[in-house]
Amino acid sequence: GIQVEQSPPDLILQEGANSTLRCNFSDSVNNLQWFHQNPWGQLINLFYIPSGTKQNGRLSATTVATERYSLLYISSSQTTDSGVYFCAVETFKGGSEKLVFGKGMKLTVNP
Amino acid sequence: IAGITQAPTSQILAAGRRMTLRCTQDMRHNAMYWYRQDLGLGLRLIHYSNTAGTTGKGEVPDGYSVSRANTDDFPLTLASAVPSQTSVYFCASSGQENTEAFFGQGTRLTVV
Repeated sequence: GIQVEQSPPDLILQEGANSTLRCNFSDSVNNLQWFHQNPWGQLINLFYIPSGTKQNGRLSATTVATERYSLLYISSSQTTDSGVYFCAVETFKGGSEKLVFGKGMKLTVNP
Repeated sequence: IAGITQAPTSQILAAGRRMTLRCTQDMRHNAMYWYRQDLGLGLRLIHYSNTAGTTGKGEVPDGYSVSRANTDDFPLTLASAVPSQTSVYFCASSGQENTEAFFGQGTRLTVV
């Protein structure tokens, strides 16, 4: 099945710093999402981005489907950005669709 | 408020007991999913359903069963719980045309 790799696995930042999270995937996808899991365990939708670029406040994301990667940018990080970030992709093979997650990237933003 | 609801929020279960985790969505989404989240392993798909009346196996289906009698509900059953099924379970749904997936708040299950 499709493989989803996220890098770096962990990141520690000082408040105000910028960061880039990368998601590589091994096959063609028809869907890609970025999620933030907050300290309470809730999974928050950040971006639905099968291709192109989107921005939402301090966060933006770019997916280059032909090269099988996506990037999540966090600018001017805040302590509330801490948590785990997941990339998830969806394929369409044999009539079934499955949302496959990477193992996540733990971000810690220190004050 | 539209969304996806899981019950219970947490549960401690004796090994060998049967347990059903409930999931309900009111967004009229066709596809629904069950995942388990374990430390260091991320989220892994247990079972999924593309539409009411159909189900499929995910990456880790053993020991679990699901049913999809209608669009809104997608219960996950552990027929005879074992300690390795201790995990946090997430239910999710996505629509047919807009495949963005939305997640419930999770169920923390401990099997002792």
